[in-house]
Formats: sequence, C-alpha cells, structure tokens
Amino acid sequence: DARVTQTPRDKVTEMGQEVTMRCQPILGHNTVFWYRQTMKQGLELLAYFRNRAPLDDSGMPKDRFSAEMPDATLATLKIQPSEPRDSAVYFCASGLVSTGGSGELFFGEGSRLTVL
Amino acid sequence: AQSVTQLDSHVSVSEGTPVLLRCNYSSSYSPSLFWYVQHPNKGLQLLLKYTSAATLVKGINGFEAEFKKSETSFHLTKPSAHMSDAAEYFCVVSADGGATNKLIFGTGTLLAVQP
Repeated sequence: DARVTQTPRDKVTEMGQEVTMRCQPILGHNTVFWYRQTMKQGLELLAYFRNRAPLDDSGMPKDRFSAEMPDATLATLKIQPSEPRDSAVYFCASGLVSTGGSGELFFGEGSRLTVL
Repeated sequence: AQSVTQLDSHVSVSEGTPVLLRCNYSSSYSPSLFWYVQHPNKGLQLLLKYTSAATLVKGINGFEAEFKKSETSFHLTKPSAHMSDAAEYFCVVSADGGATNKLIFGTGTLLAVQP
C-alpha cells in the first residue's frame, strides 16, 4: 500500500535549534508539497516541487526555512533557527501531475513540532 | 481565483442519523473538487473527488457528494453516521484544474457523532 512517509512523527526542541523534517513521497509521484497546520491558521502551503524543482516557496519564512529535494525519494524541510511560533504539525503530500489528471494529493501523517 | 467556503465550522449528529456537510465553491473554470477527512493526530485522507464526470460522486466509508453547478455547491452527505466518522472534514478545490496538484483548502468542519 503506497503511502507518504514522514519523519520524525514528533519532535520537541528548544528555541534556536535546527530542525529537519523528512518526507518520502509515493514512488512515481512528480509533485511534493509541504503544508503547516495550526489551530489559528489552519492549513498553510509552505512550498512545493515538481520533478524535484521548487515551483513556489512563497509561503515560507525565507530567513529561517528551507526546502529541498535532494533526490526523487526524499524531500526535506529545515528550520534554522527554530522559534516557538514554528510549533505546528507539518505535512508532506505528493501527487502525480498528468494530462487529464484530477490533481489530488496524498498526505503523510505529519511531523508534530514543539519548540520550547 | 478559486476558493471554497465551508458553511459550518461544527456539526453534531447522532449515530445512525444522516450527515450533511456544506461547501460552496468559486471557480473561473470547471473545477476539480475534493473532500478530505482528518482524524485526530492523523494526516488527511481523500474521501472523494469530482472531476467533471458524474455529478454524484461516491467515496469511501459510505460518503457521497453532489456537484451542483447552478448552486456552486459540493455538499458531502452520508445516510447514517457512525461513531468512527467523527473527524474534521475539508472541502478542497484545485487551484488550477489539476495542472499542478496545488490545492486550496476550506477552513474545515468538525463533525461530532453522539451515541
């Protein structure tokens, strides 16, 4: 059963520390998205990639967040330095863009980040 | 620009009674519409999708949704609620008709199911 895999599932860290979240998209998918979910803001799009190239990262705070896809099986989201306001659940999602495709995304179970 | 509006932030039903979660959409072209469900501490799971084929779409777990262009609505229904249906439900529209998988999420409806 193909699924998007995210690590870590839970992370507690102290303000100022670097945090790296990892995502393995579904094999064969050509788009990867990073979302952040908080009670206050709901789901926010941070960044997305197509064929490993970043298409849009306008939702990310540029000074501290970075997103990369070193290869087709790994996407990373890094926060350095982390701040308490970064506490949230971060979701990775992948999909397949194709002619006539519906555009649906498949989500991982999320990485819950708590910054103290 | 594409958008969705979920008309209720909270819905409470009794087990065994029908479920209706309301969603209106705005789109400058024929939309791709979805309903996703999120159970506590879980990721989002696709319930069903509409992509300009049949207007009545059947999904998993007995849910279905009807696309009504005249009303710009895509309401989610289920004939009989089960305790396991308690979750948050998101109405979603494709930002660009499926060209990039970019999705626009509604604010969510929290469904409570009373025994």
